[in-house]
Amino acid sequence: QVQLQQEPGPGLVKPSQTLSVTCTVSGGSIRSGSWYWSWIRQRPGKGLEWIGYIYSSGTASYNPSLKTRVSISADTTKNQFSLRLTSVTAADTAMYFCARENRDSGIIWFDPWGQGTLVTVSS
Amino acid sequence: QSVLTQPPSVSAAPGEKVTISCSGSSSNVENHFVSWYQQLPGTAPRLLIYEDNKRTSGIPERFSASKSATSATLVISGLQTGDEADYYCGTWDYSLSVVVFGGGTKLTVL
Repeated sequence: QVQLQQEPGPGLVKPSQTLSVTCTVSGGSIRSGSWYWSWIRQRPGKGLEWIGYIYSSGTASYNPSLKTRVSISADTTKNQFSLRLTSVTAADTAMYFCARENRDSGIIWFDPWGQGTLVTVSS
Repeated sequence: QSVLTQPPSVSAAPGEKVTISCSGSSSNVENHFVSWYQQLPGTAPRLLIYEDNKRTSGIPERFSASKSATSATLVISGLQTGDEADYYCGTWDYSLSVVVFGGGTKLTVL
């Protein structure tokens, strides 16, 4: 059974700096199959926002609203994938979740999810 | 403002039934499969329903979903206090080229 464990994050990031969060996958390889490995965030008291994914081939795709600041990468030796968000502002304060995404035949769903990493942007 | 519209809150008594709507458009709900997620307080979301109406493993039959045109619906019957959570719908939006979610509905079991 695949499980996603998010590494303890920075917690607090200063404005204009870079946010980095990592997710470790167990019970399956991020290199195999047709799974996509995604990041989703939830601002305080708000709904969910899809950030982007990295595919098992290494191809990544991002939410157009964040595209200029975001990158998702994978470390296959550690079976991890990571999110980097540059030039952060207070609006990037959120709980960041990693999730396995299914896109088979255009059918999209997310399961399972990581436990979440809270990142606060403040000076 | 979310692309998919959900009621902010719904409530019902234990044992009753509640419906949660998810309203979209032809660029999302009408032409793409919808999934539903349950987020218990202080936890990560959990997949309940995928492909409009398929329950994921371990989800009881009390949870069901359907879709018609630009609107999807989640139905929870035989409500239990443990069902108190936020519920989100999600799907692909081809005009925005992004996965979109509803704003979430807070379920209170009175």
